[in-house]
Amino acid sequence: EIVMTQSPATLSVSPGERATLSCRASQSVSSNLAWYQQKPGQAPRLLIYGASTRATGIPARFSGSGSGTEFTLTISSLQSEDFAVYYCQQYNNWPPYTFGQGTKLEIQ
Amino acid sequence: EVQLVESGGGLVQPGGSLRLSCAASGFTFSSMNWVRQAPGKGLEWVSYISSTSSTIYYADSVKGRFTISRDNAKNSLYLQMNSLRDEDTAVYYCARRSPDSSGPLDAFDIWGQGTMVTVSS
Repeated sequence: EIVMTQSPATLSVSPGERATLSCRASQSVSSNLAWYQQKPGQAPRLLIYGASTRATGIPARFSGSGSGTEFTLTISSLQSEDFAVYYCQQYNNWPPYTFGQGTKLEIQ
Repeated sequence: EVQLVESGGGLVQPGGSLRLSCAASGFTFSSMNWVRQAPGKGLEWVSYISSTSSTIYYADSVKGRFTISRDNAKNSLYLQMNSLRDEDTAVYYCARRSPDSSGPLDAFDIWGQGTMVTVSS
């Protein structure tokens, strides 16, 4: 089973600033990595797939990078609606699909 | 409108059973998954079923206790949960594995709003 590790667990950033979230896989997942955003009481929403491609309707301030075992989600200029929990997920070697434990992005 | 709507959650005693349903509309009803989230915790994949039900997988934590199925005529997905344990308490989401080879192929692109399952005596 591939273990996904996200860091940090919590990230405090001010609106308008840049946020950088990390995700590491225990073995290579190529570019088969997705990022999801989850707000309280809501279902996860697909943000990024293929490590770097934005899903339909996702603003350009969200970008993903990386391949193999190291991945990054960057939000270039935080808006109030971006404060949420973010999960990475690998879909290269499954079953099982595995998610990271999440990074909570909070307002500083 | 693209929609997944789960139902069937509720309170059940340890050792009991529950059947969840997920109704799909507005999109291609392709391969599907169940994903759960315990209170205050992260996402855990539970089960997968291909579009024709020919391929089924389970997480080790539910293998032998849960059964995934689907009815393509009704655009519906199901999860039969038996021998429930306290640790099965979670919000259960159904999610589509994208079939879009020009888009998010294999990622989970459509999610339902979730249904809460509480296992407690």
